[in-house]
Order: sequence, then structure tokens, then C-alpha cells
Amino acid sequence: DTGVSQDPRHKITKRGQNVTFRCDPISEHNRLYWYRQTLGQGPEFLTYFQNEAQLEKSRLLSDRFSAERPKGSFSTLEIQRTEQGDSAMYLCASSPGTGDIGKLFFGSGTQLSVL
Amino acid sequence: AQSVAQPEDQVNVAEGNPLTVKCTYSVSGNPYLFWYVQYPNRGLQFLLKYITGDNLVKGSYGFEAEFNKSQTSFHLKKPSALVSDSALYFCAVRDKLSAGGSYIPTFGRGTSLIVHP
Repeated sequence: DTGVSQDPRHKITKRGQNVTFRCDPISEHNRLYWYRQTLGQGPEFLTYFQNEAQLEKSRLLSDRFSAERPKGSFSTLEIQRTEQGDSAMYLCASSPGTGDIGKLFFGSGTQLSVL
Repeated sequence: AQSVAQPEDQVNVAEGNPLTVKCTYSVSGNPYLFWYVQYPNRGLQFLLKYITGDNLVKGSYGFEAEFNKSQTSFHLKKPSALVSDSALYFCAVRDKLSAGGSYIPTFGRGTSLIVHP
């Protein structure tokens, strides 16, 4: 169990650029979640996957945000045409999908700064 | 929608003293409640949960939480604080995203716990 891994740890980009973040969940965890956290706030749910199926994406902040989990393993979160308001910590979490309800395992996050 | 509120942005306590971090909830039906901790430059870590059963729930690192249905509260406690307990603490509730939809944890704003030597 190597934990949830996120890459990169930090990303600085210019407004209007596209960015992509990667998350590698704990192996054999079926569920994968993306959250966003801004300063002084708790994590805000964005989307989640059960294996490769994206079961909930209504909370994605706009159509500039998209996520994939093509083979049910790692996931990517893409933000197109970034805006300064997108600056935040993007957190990925995984869970087995059965058993321990609500126990998520989080990565250390990707800190995005949009200049 | 289910929600939690953490009324204190910051809690200060001296090392060795008991600590309490407050959380109140608003749910329809039976609540599924959780506490997570976030240390600097680290991801959130699960501390404990309440689903059913005893109102006093024990978790990691010596923390416990007391479920109080009449006060709709789920306060986090520890009998003797350590400097290393200084971190952000998040209360969370299981929330249903839509009718017939999925359940996911919804988090409060967080409380910064500072333990002074």
C-alpha cells in the first residue's frame, strides 16, 4: 500500500492555458474521487469514478473541467482555459468501494496557481 | 442535502490539556459522520466515524468523538493534547448527491487546532 499519489505537487500556469493533473489511487481501490480545496474552506466534491465509470459529474465547476479514468486505474483531471479563480488545491482520494463507508484515502494534492 | 458546520475557525489549547473541536450536523434520517485531520503539506487522513451504536466513538491517535442526537453534534475530543496534534480538522457527513444517486462525504470548513507547548 503506497498510498494515493498525485502529480504534480505544484503547477503554475498562465490564464488561458490548459492543465492536467494525474492521480494514482491505492491499487485495487475501485472508487476514485476528485475534490477542490481553497484557503479556509473544506474540500469541495467535484466528481467520482467507480472503476472506469464516472458516476457523478454534476458538481464539476464548469464545462472547462473534465476527468477521466480510462482503465479504472489512474485518473486525470483537466482544466481548460484556466482562470485565476481556478487557483486551489486539487485533491484526489480513493476507497475500496465496499465496506468502510466514508473512509477515503487522500493524496497530498496538486496546488494550482493561475497567474 | 446533508451538511455539517464547524463553528470555530481556530481552537487554542495548552499541551496536556483536554481539547474539543466542535461540529454540528443537519441531516434527514440517520447521520453518517466522520472526522478527518490534515497536517501541513499532507493529505487528509481519516480519524474516526459514527454510523450507529455507541455514542462515544474512538479513533486514531487517541482521538474520540461524541455523538449527541438531541444537540445534533459530533464533537471531537482528546483527553490530553500534544503539540503534534496541531493541524486542520474537518468534520464530514455522508451526503446523497441526487435522488437515486451516490453517497459521498461532504466536508465542513475545518477548524485549525493549535496546541501550545
